[in-house]
Amino acid sequence: DSGVTQTPKHLITATGQRVTLRCSPRSGDLSVYWYQQSLDQGLQFLIQYYNGEERAKGNILERFSAQQFPDLHSELNLSSLELGDSALYFCASSVVDITDTQYFGPGTRLTVL
Amino acid sequence: QQQVKQSPQSLIVQKGGIPIINCAYENTAFDYFPWYQQFPGKGPALLIAIRPDVSEKKEGRFTISFNKSAKQFSLHIMDSQPGDSATYFCAASKRGNTPLVFGKGTRLSVIA
Repeated sequence: DSGVTQTPKHLITATGQRVTLRCSPRSGDLSVYWYQQSLDQGLQFLIQYYNGEERAKGNILERFSAQQFPDLHSELNLSSLELGDSALYFCASSVVDITDTQYFGPGTRLTVL
Repeated sequence: QQQVKQSPQSLIVQKGGIPIINCAYENTAFDYFPWYQQFPGKGPALLIAIRPDVSEKKEGRFTISFNKSAKQFSLHIMDSQPGDSATYFCAASKRGNTPLVFGKGTRLSVIA
């Protein structure tokens, strides 16, 4: 158990809908990362937050957004969903130190029908 | 542009064998090279990591070899067991808690 929690575990929804994925980092970790894992693209970085502020942006679509709250949990919002958005979404957290280690949560499997 | 290239895509070895997974990177600013292990339905779990100031790191049955001049690194699993059957990902990042760039993954099967 990495100490990172994600809810829900599974999500099934229809095209055009909007969903919210939630992540709670390990206690004390200020940095949260979101990654998308699909069969054809592998694991791809979406966005990073550090202590409530956006720190880095990767291959995140404009239909997707995220935020980190004062209690450090993070939410990833996906809107106008398309079939191609079906994937596993992982959150990872890290403490800001010299190790650079990221700990991954169990993921949310999103299926868009 | 794929910044971290991983091979092979899949690998089958006999129990007790030594599977080797290779990765190559392009960005010389990368300073941290972890390997993650992922079982079906689970999140990636950190296995072992290395920085470019050493050429080898060993933790239990897992060894990373690092060649800075060739911009390559590899994972060796000694005395492999059926329980090691999983997908392995190499990754790289710059120093200072930056996002990871992942290889495409290697699906390892260890058969008894």
